[in-house]
Amino acid sequence: DQQVKQNSPSLSVQEGRISILNCDYTNSMFDYFLWYKKYPAEGPTFLISISSIKDKNEDGRFTVFLNKSAKHLSLHIVPSQPGDSAVYFCAASEEYSGGGADGLTFGKGTHLIIQP
Amino acid sequence: DSGVTQTPKHLITATGQRVTLRCSPRSGDLSVYWYQQSLDQGLQFLIQYYNGEERAKGNILERFSAQQFPDLHSELNLSSLELGDSALYFCASSVGPSDTQYFGPGTRLTVL
Repeated sequence: DQQVKQNSPSLSVQEGRISILNCDYTNSMFDYFLWYKKYPAEGPTFLISISSIKDKNEDGRFTVFLNKSAKHLSLHIVPSQPGDSAVYFCAASEEYSGGGADGLTFGKGTHLIIQP
Repeated sequence: DSGVTQTPKHLITATGQRVTLRCSPRSGDLSVYWYQQSLDQGLQFLIQYYNGEERAKGNILERFSAQQFPDLHSELNLSSLELGDSALYFCASSVGPSDTQYFGPGTRLTVL
């Protein structure tokens, strides 16, 4: 059973507009969430993270929002740029709850395409 | 460039064979993780080492094993290979078990 779900396999956004990528999780023990970006033939690149004690974290053009009651997080990219075209993975872990280092549980990714 | 290196980049082998994938973590990182990315399963956590000791196991098959050496590099050994083992294998490293993981470029394994 998938514990981290990214229900949109792809998303197309115009350059300069906002990109919103969504992620849902089912495991209530997850308390740390990350977004990674991946280009073809490269490994995932860390973008931004958020712990469960926060509901928002911002880093430049990237903002992650966490809604614990809905078990939902989203990544906002504003403004979207052509170089943002990539596959975005949502990931979760139980690290801060003392569950140890079980590795990250990943969603299957959303392919973001920025249209000029 | 994340600072994590993996060799080889590509590996083509036959069913029943054994291969070894190598990972060098970022300088200063003590934790190493291995992940498998296949077309249908996405990125799956296999195993984690911290400072030479196994720390956590995920969906790792019994035919697979790993170790972390005193210089902190890690090797993933895959034996009795099957067609379904064809995948991208990523190594990631972090300073400690609860820190952000940084991924290497991956090794693409093709089993024919």
